[in-house]
This record gives sequence, C-alpha cells and structure tokens, in this order.
Amino acid sequence: QKEVEQNSGPLSVPEGAIASLNCTYSDRGSQSFFWYRQYSGKSPELIMFIYSNGDKEDGRFTAQLNKASQYVSLLIRDSQPSDSATYLCAVVSDGLTFGKGTHLIIQP
Amino acid sequence: EAQVTQNPRYLITVTGKKLTVTCSQNMNHEYMSWYRQDPGLGLRQIYYSMNVEVTDKGDVPEGYKVSRKEKRNFPLILESPSPNQTSLYFCASSLTSGRSTDTQYFGPGTRLTVL
Repeated sequence: QKEVEQNSGPLSVPEGAIASLNCTYSDRGSQSFFWYRQYSGKSPELIMFIYSNGDKEDGRFTAQLNKASQYVSLLIRDSQPSDSATYLCAVVSDGLTFGKGTHLIIQP
Repeated sequence: EAQVTQNPRYLITVTGKKLTVTCSQNMNHEYMSWYRQDPGLGLRQIYYSMNVEVTDKGDVPEGYKVSRKEKRNFPLILESPSPNQTSLYFCASSLTSGRSTDTQYFGPGTRLTVL
C-alpha cells in the first residue's frame, strides 16, 4: 500500500510569516509530486508540481523535494489570511495518491 | 471555458434508491477519475478510466459502478446506496493517464447524503 503522510494540523501561522508544510511518501519509485489547495467544501486546485530534487519557486510558493529522504515540502512566504485552507500533497507512482491534508490557519 | 462539471451538486436520498452522479469534461481529456472525500480519511479513489470503454477499480470501489461510453462523460452509479456512502464526491480529469505527470482538474464536488 503506497502511503503519503501529512500532519493533519491545524498549523497556525501569523500573517506575514512563512508557512512550512511537509509530506513524506513510502514509494521510493515515485516520480512526480503535487501540492493542491482546498478551501472548505470546495474542490482541490493545483498550486505547484515538482519532479526534480531541489527547490522550485512560483511567486510566494516554493516546493522542495528530497527523493533520498522521500520528503516533499511547500513553503508559503508572506502568508495571507486567504492562504488559510487545507493543503494536499499528492504523489504519482502507479496512480495518484493523496495525503490526508494539512489544515493551515493564517492568523491576522 | 475549460472545466469539469458534476451534477447534482447536492443530493439527499434514501437507502437502496439507485442514483447516478454525472461528470463531464470539455478538455478532450483521456483520463477521468472519481474520488470520495471523508473527514480524517482524505481523498480516496473509487474508479478511474484511462480512455473510452477502459475503466478500472481504485482503492474503494465497493458499492459503485462507472461507465465510459464517451470521452467526455464518466458517470458514477450507486445501484443500492447505503448510509456509509454519505460523502463528498469529486470527479477529476487529466490529459492522459494518471500515471503520468499530467495535472488533474477537479469538478466542483457532489455532496451526497444517504439516509
């Protein structure tokens, strides 16, 4: 059973600070990694994807991948109240497997 | 506008009454999938389809059926719904197989309650 693990939270971060979200996965053969954001009662929407070890930046978001440690993270800089949501990590290996998500709260 | 649509968005029904949730995409995507989302359990895949007339079971297929007669449509059928199928359901599609790096686009969700 392929597993994707995330801390469920809630993770509370002050407005303007950096929010750090973490994800580990069990299948060492996994190749592609996605971060989705989901507001309560809404559908997931893609924020970023990453395939290669290292960092990938897109605006305020940075995805980090370490395949040796089977670890992927998402950093959100200058956190805003509108970033409050559940963040889902998803891993592609023989299908797409989602983590259960981390609930992020940005405190004004 | 490129989108995945689902109908109905909300449904309350009773145990045993057959129902169908429709899903349609206008992006000419080959791959379509159904998920259910439950508190504490996250998104779990029910069925997926890699192309017309090609469907396969996901992680939680019991109690569900699907069909893929046309590329754009992928309905989810509950022949005899039970209360444990009360959940939030999402349809998703991507250009090619979910085994690739293609982004999955999600529909707006269908909130189903089975009494």
